[in-house]
Amino acid sequence: QQQVKQSPQSLIVQKGGISIINCAYENTAFDYFPWYQQFPGKGPALLIAIRPDVSEKKEGRFTISFNKSAKQFSLHIMDSQPGDSATYFCAASMSNSGSRLTFGEGTQLTVNP
Amino acid sequence: NAGVTQTPKFRVLKTGQSMTLLCAQDMNHEYMYWYRQDPGMGLRLIHYSVGEGTTAKGEVPDGYNVSRLKKQNFLLGLESAAPSQTSVYFCASSWANTEAFFGQGTRLTVV
Repeated sequence: QQQVKQSPQSLIVQKGGISIINCAYENTAFDYFPWYQQFPGKGPALLIAIRPDVSEKKEGRFTISFNKSAKQFSLHIMDSQPGDSATYFCAASMSNSGSRLTFGEGTQLTVNP
Repeated sequence: NAGVTQTPKFRVLKTGQSMTLLCAQDMNHEYMYWYRQDPGMGLRLIHYSVGEGTTAKGEVPDGYNVSRLKKQNFLLGLESAAPSQTSVYFCASSWANTEAFFGQGTRLTVV
């Protein structure tokens, strides 16, 4: 069963625009929520992560918004650039279960110049 | 720093053949993982290890076996490959509930 659901499956944004990707989770025991970025032919790499004791985390142009009561979190990419074109995965894990990550289905982002 | 290294990078197998994928990490991480990536399904956990000599099943373990004889290595075996195991396989390592570092992947095709 898919415990982390991600949307949209694909997203096209103009350069300078805002990209928003959403995820919803089911297991309230999750306590670590990372976002991974993957370029073609490469392995996923950590972009930004949040823990449930805060509602927002910002690193440069990337922001995670976290809503614990709704069991949802989202990635916002401000001033999107063509170099941001990649596949983005949300994930969740819990510290008492081997820290294994449960991934969303992925979002293919294309930023047009 | 090599990080997480996977070998081989590409492989074509015939149905019924066996093979072993090797993962090596040089970050002294306790936890290691094997995922498979299929279109539209994200990454799904096959097996994982929380320390040398330990292994555990993930979400999709059937048809795979693993071993962690040394802390830095995590091996994934396919005893009798099937076309359904055509996928891209990723190894990762981490400390507890922190950033997982991924290898470059192994693209496996079973014909």
